[in-house]
Amino acid sequence: GAGVSQSPSNKVTEKGKDVELRCDPISGHTALYWYRQRLGQGLEFLIYFQGNSAPDKSGLPSDRFSAERTGESVSTLTIQRTQQEDSAVYLCASSLGYGSETQYFGPGTRLLVL
Amino acid sequence: AQKVTQAQTEISVVEKEDVTLDCVYETRDTTYYLFWYKQPPSGELVFLIRRNSFDEQNEISGRYSWNFQKSTSSFNFTITASQVVDSAVYFCALSELDSNYQLIWGAGTKLIIKP
Repeated sequence: GAGVSQSPSNKVTEKGKDVELRCDPISGHTALYWYRQRLGQGLEFLIYFQGNSAPDKSGLPSDRFSAERTGESVSTLTIQRTQQEDSAVYLCASSLGYGSETQYFGPGTRLLVL
Repeated sequence: AQKVTQAQTEISVVEKEDVTLDCVYETRDTTYYLFWYKQPPSGELVFLIRRNSFDEQNEISGRYSWNFQKSTSSFNFTITASQVVDSAVYFCALSELDSNYQLIWGAGTKLIIKP
C-alpha cells in the first residue's frame, strides 16, 4: 500500500524566499506530524494535526513557520523569509490516530537555504 | 533530564558480530509505549517495533531482538550476526500520557557495520 509521501524531495532556495513543503499521509490516518532534522542531529518536533486542527503549535521555531491541513489529508508546511538555519530535512509522519499509535514516516524534504 | 537516553553515540563492529544498542527511558506513567526506528543513509525513518508498558515479553524478529526491562527502565535492541545493510542510525522513542503522547526521541546511535 501507499506510504507517506512528501514533495519536493529536495529544495534549494535563496535566503529570504518562502517555501512550501507538502505531505500526503497514509490514507485513513487522522493524525499527521511534522519534524525537523538538522544534519547529524535527532528529530525536532514541530507540529501535529488531529484531523484538520493543530492543538499544539508550540514546537514551531518562529512565526515564520506555519502549517495547515485540509480534508484530513494533505498538509503543507510553509516557511516564510527563509534563513540559512532553516536548512534541514523536514520529515512528515502519520498515524491512525493521535496518541500512542505508531507513526509512519515519509522520505523527507531536504531544504537548503543559500 | 533526558527522558530517553541512548548513551552510545556511535558503534562500529565487523560484519557477523552481534551488537546491542542501549535505550534507557524515564517516565512516571504506568502506561507508556516504546519504539525503535531505523534511519539508513537514505534518510527515511523505518519503524521497527512498538511495545507497551504492560508487555515485558522479549521480542524476536529474524536477526533483531528487543529486551524490555521495566526494573531498569531499559529497552535494548540487539542485532545478531550483523550485516552491512544494518548500518544506520537507530532511534529509540517514548510515548507517554504525561507528554500528551508526543514521541520523545533519543539522540540516536549510529551503527557502522564493516565488511
